[in-house]
Amino acid sequence: ETGVTQTPRHLVMGMTNKKSLKCEQHLGHNAMYWYKQSAKKPLELMFVYSLEERVENNSVPSRFSPECPNSSHLFLHLHTLQPEDSALYLCASSQGTLGNTIYFGEGSWLTVV
Amino acid sequence: AQKVTQAQTEISVVEKEDVTLDCVYETRDTTYYLFWYKQPPSGELVFLIRRNSFDEQNEISGRYSWNFQKSTSSFNFTITASQVVDSAVYFCALSDHNFGNEKLTFGTGTRLTIIP
Repeated sequence: ETGVTQTPRHLVMGMTNKKSLKCEQHLGHNAMYWYKQSAKKPLELMFVYSLEERVENNSVPSRFSPECPNSSHLFLHLHTLQPEDSALYLCASSQGTLGNTIYFGEGSWLTVV
Repeated sequence: AQKVTQAQTEISVVEKEDVTLDCVYETRDTTYYLFWYKQPPSGELVFLIRRNSFDEQNEISGRYSWNFQKSTSSFNFTITASQVVDSAVYFCALSDHNFGNEKLTFGTGTRLTIIP
C-alpha cells in the first residue's frame, strides 16, 4: 500500500465542469504538495501546504483551487479548465524540513475535452 | 537559482548492459540535497535515493549505484546488469529550502528503455 493515495486515477472532464482531485497521506507528514506534469514541460510545483497553511502558490491560474482541511488530506478543485490543462497531477508529502524526502502518489491523469 | 540538467533525453540499452544516467546541478546553497526518482508508465514517482551535500561517499544498493562529485556538480546514477523492469523515466532533483518547507527542483528526466 502506497503512503500517498490519489483519487481518481483517471478523470475526463469538459471545460465547463467542476471536479476535484483528492489526495491522502498516511505517513504522518506535515507538508503536502501538488505538482503538474505535462508532456511538453518538466515537473512543475503548483502549491505547497505546511501545517494546513498554504505557503507557496507558483503563479497557478485561479481555475485551480487547492484545499487542505488537515495535514493528511489535500484537494485540488478544478473549474472551467482548458485543454492545455490536461496532464498528470501528482500529490506528494514530506516532513517539511530541509533534507526530508518527498513521497509521491500515483498521480491523477486529467484530460480536459 | 537552483537548476538540474539531465542532458540525456532518451537512452536505450540491451538487457544486461550497464547504463549511466547523468545529472548536473546548480545551486548557491552550501547545504542541499539531491534525489533520484523513478517513474514507471503507471505514473507514480518512486523515491530511489537521497544524498546531502556534505556526504560525498558513493552509494551502492544492489544493482544501483550513485556517484556524487561536488567538484563537477554531478550526481550520476548507474544501473549494472540492466533488466527490462528498469525501463522507466528517471528524474534527478535538487532540494530547495523555502519558508521552512522542502521544494524539489527537477530535471527534465531521462527515458530509459531496456531492450530484451
